[in-house]
Amino acid sequence: KAGVTQTPRYLIKTRGQQVTLSCSPISGHRSVSWYQQTPGQGLQFLFEYFSETQRNKGNFPGRFSGRQFSNSRSEMNVSTLELGDSALYLCASSLAGEKLFFGSGTQLSVL
Amino acid sequence: GENVEQHPSTLSVQEGDSAVIKCTYSDSASNYFPWYKQELGKRPQLIIDIRSNVGEKKDQRIAVTLNKTAKHFSLHITETQPEDSAVYFCAALNYGGSQGNLIFGKGTKLSVKP
Repeated sequence: KAGVTQTPRYLIKTRGQQVTLSCSPISGHRSVSWYQQTPGQGLQFLFEYFSETQRNKGNFPGRFSGRQFSNSRSEMNVSTLELGDSALYLCASSLAGEKLFFGSGTQLSVL
Repeated sequence: GENVEQHPSTLSVQEGDSAVIKCTYSDSASNYFPWYKQELGKRPQLIIDIRSNVGEKKDQRIAVTLNKTAKHFSLHITETQPEDSAVYFCAALNYGGSQGNLIFGKGTKLSVKP
């Protein structure tokens, strides 16, 4: 059974640009959650999608958005990038939001 | 909303010793408490979890205890080995409730010295 796949693995962007990250969940998993990981801050919850609907949202500005497609694949978009957005972005899938299976993440660097 | 505090932030032990990591949560409605291990450069992986109707759960050298009254839970690793070195995250979830996402602690970096 294939695991959670995130693309791209690395991204380098400049301030003001926008970026789109992709996540393919484990087959059969309908829930996809996104987390931001920075040193010392742990895993900060961004949002969760279940069956194409945003079910939960964390305390991030509106520049962070996401969506989920009918095949459960999810994308996360960050507009008007800031230096502080540099982080590892992790996607996790689950059957219904409980036991999370994480992808390897996308390391975003904003210059 | 839920808030999870985790202590200590760093922990160093000698190989063969035990390690204990503690977490407290704020929302008494939380009913699911997993622990994740993240090795350097790798993804977090679930190592053990416990539900609110159970006080203790064990899996080989790893055990988790839950005290619902005090709203805290702990990870116990016995006979530590160098491969246990990693960052460990606790989390809490009110599964089926209004707060439907896992809230994580800030992590504990465990170093096991040979």
